Amino acid sequence: QKEVEQNSGPLSVPEGAIASLNCTYSDRGSQSFFWYRQYSGKSPELIMFIYSNGDKEDGRFTAQLNKASQYVSLLIRDSQPSDSATYLCAVSGSYIPTFGRGTSLIVHP
Amino acid sequence: DVKVTQSSRYLVKRTGEKVFLECVQDMDHENMFWYRQDPGLGLRLIYFSYDVKMKEKGDIPEGYSVSREKKERFSLILESASTNQTSMYLCASRDGTGGTGELFFGEGSRLTVL
Repeated sequence: QKEVEQNSGPLSVPEGAIASLNCTYSDRGSQSFFWYRQYSGKSPELIMFIYSNGDKEDGRFTAQLNKASQYVSLLIRDSQPSDSATYLCAVSGSYIPTFGRGTSLIVHP
Repeated sequence: DVKVTQSSRYLVKRTGEKVFLECVQDMDHENMFWYRQDPGLGLRLIYFSYDVKMKEKGDIPEGYSVSREKKERFSLILESASTNQTSMYLCASRDGTGGTGELFFGEGSRLTVL
């Protein structure tokens, strides 16, 4: 069974700090890696995707992928209270993506 | 913008009733998905359709069936609703090219079975 593991949190960080969210996966054949943000009562929305080893930056967000270690992370710089949400890691190898259970992030003023 | 529309945001049904959840996407996506989301359990795949009239079981298909007669529409059917099917149901669609792209989610349908 393909598994995607995330620490459920909550991860609490002060406003302006860097939030680091981590995800490990079991399927070495995985090709695509996604981070979705889900606000309470809302549906998930994509914030980052990464396909290759290394870092990918988009504004305050950086996704990091290490296929050898089967590890993907999301860094949020200058965290804002509006970043408070659950972050879902999703991994896709062939057609069917597998989601982690999500990490709850709380950014306090 | 891609739009995935789920027919009902909130439903309350009685045990044993047949329940239809409808999902429509407007981007000509080949792939469509039905998930349920429960606290602490994350997103669990019920069924997946990679094209019209094609479907595959996900991780938890028991008690559910699906229909994909048209490309834009993917329906989830609870043949005889039970209380343990009380949940948030999320539909998603994806461009089928490569099979590894982003999922676009609908707003969700919160079902309560009494």
